[in-house]
This record gives sequence, C-alpha cells and structure tokens, in this order.
Amino acid sequence: EPEVTQTPSHQVTQMGQEVILRCVPISNHLYFYWYRQILGQKVEFLVSFYNNEISEKSEIFDDQFSVERPDGSNFTLKIRSTKLEDSAMYFCASTLAGEQSETQYFGPGTRLLVL
Amino acid sequence: AQSVTQLDSHVSVSEGTPVLLRCNYSSSYSPSLFWYVQHPNKGLQLLLKYTSAATLVKGINGFEAEFKKSETSFHLTKPSAHMSDAAEYFCVVSDLVTGGFKTIFGAGTRLFVKA
Repeated sequence: EPEVTQTPSHQVTQMGQEVILRCVPISNHLYFYWYRQILGQKVEFLVSFYNNEISEKSEIFDDQFSVERPDGSNFTLKIRSTKLEDSAMYFCASTLAGEQSETQYFGPGTRLLVL
Repeated sequence: AQSVTQLDSHVSVSEGTPVLLRCNYSSSYSPSLFWYVQHPNKGLQLLLKYTSAATLVKGINGFEAEFKKSETSFHLTKPSAHMSDAAEYFCVVSDLVTGGFKTIFGAGTRLFVKA
C-alpha cells in the first residue's frame, strides 16, 4: 500500500538555524499539507499546497516558514530561523483531491528539537 | 466556531472487553468526521470516516462509530479490545469554511489494553 514518507525522523538544531523537513507524498496525490504537534498539545494545521501554490495557511505559518515542491516527488517545509517554540512533531499529509471529505494520508512525522 | 473535544485523555481496558472513545464536536455546516489511529513511530492511519451517508460507520480492525447530530457526537467503539489496539486515537473534524475547508484535531486519547 502506498504511504507518505518523511525524513528525517528526528532532527536536533540550534536556535536560529535553518531546517528543512522533507516529505514524499503518495505519488498520484495533488494536495499536500503540513501539521505540527507541540508536545502535550493538539495537532495543528500549518499549510496546504496545491498546484505549486499555498492554498491555505494558518496564523502559525508566518514568514519564518515556507513550503516548496522542488521536484515531482518531494514536498518540503523550511523554517528559516528556528525558535525554541518550534520544537514539535511535524506531520506531512497528502490527498488525491481537495474535498472536505477526503481522507488525508499522513507520514510518520519528524520530531524537531530546537536547543 | 469549529472544535473537537475528546473527553478522555487516557482510557484503559482489559483485553476482550469493549472500547469506547468519546468525541464531541461543534461545526458550522455539515462536517466530515474521521477517526485516526497512531501507533508509535508510525503515521496517523485512518480508521473510519463519516461523510453524510450512513450514520453508523464501520472501519478497519472491528472499530465503528456512530454520528449523532442531536448530541454532536462521534464516539468510537469496538466490542472486544485486542492488545494491538493500544495506541493514540484522534478524532478529526473537517468543516467547510469560506473558500475551502478546515481540519481540526481533537487532543487525542491514549488507549491502554491490559492482558
């Protein structure tokens, strides 16, 4: 069964450094998403992406964040200058269509720790 | 405003006994409702979803959930717990908003299964 993959599984970085989290969505999916979960808190929506553009973003997704689909398979989340509060689990997801009822397929997550 | 409340952060059952994981929601329109399960070091996996068809939804691994609009609930049940059911369970609402839809997660319920 096809699945979403994410790399790395864990990342430790120093405050102020840039990080890039990588995701490979399911190959025929067209819509891509990033979520984060701070330890002990709810999973929160960050951004959705379709047709090489951001289609929606939350208040969390400020200028420090960016997303890109650099080739036909990867979908990346970049944090330009990490803060301590960026420490979280980051999940990537993809869907075939952009409907409300679509099942989102999630990756296993990248645990980011900012020191 | 949309919200999802999972009433129990932890549920502990004995193997072979019924499972009940509770979820209440609020939404503006006609929501789609999902239950996802997350095993350690794995991505979130869809158990089942409700999308305005039958109110009793059957999912994988013997789980089912009933959409009760009058009670704004979507509780997850299983007649007989298995050790492999031990995991974190998320209730998720996808609701229409202007220009698209919004996905909101519950805080999660960790299910423990005792031998």
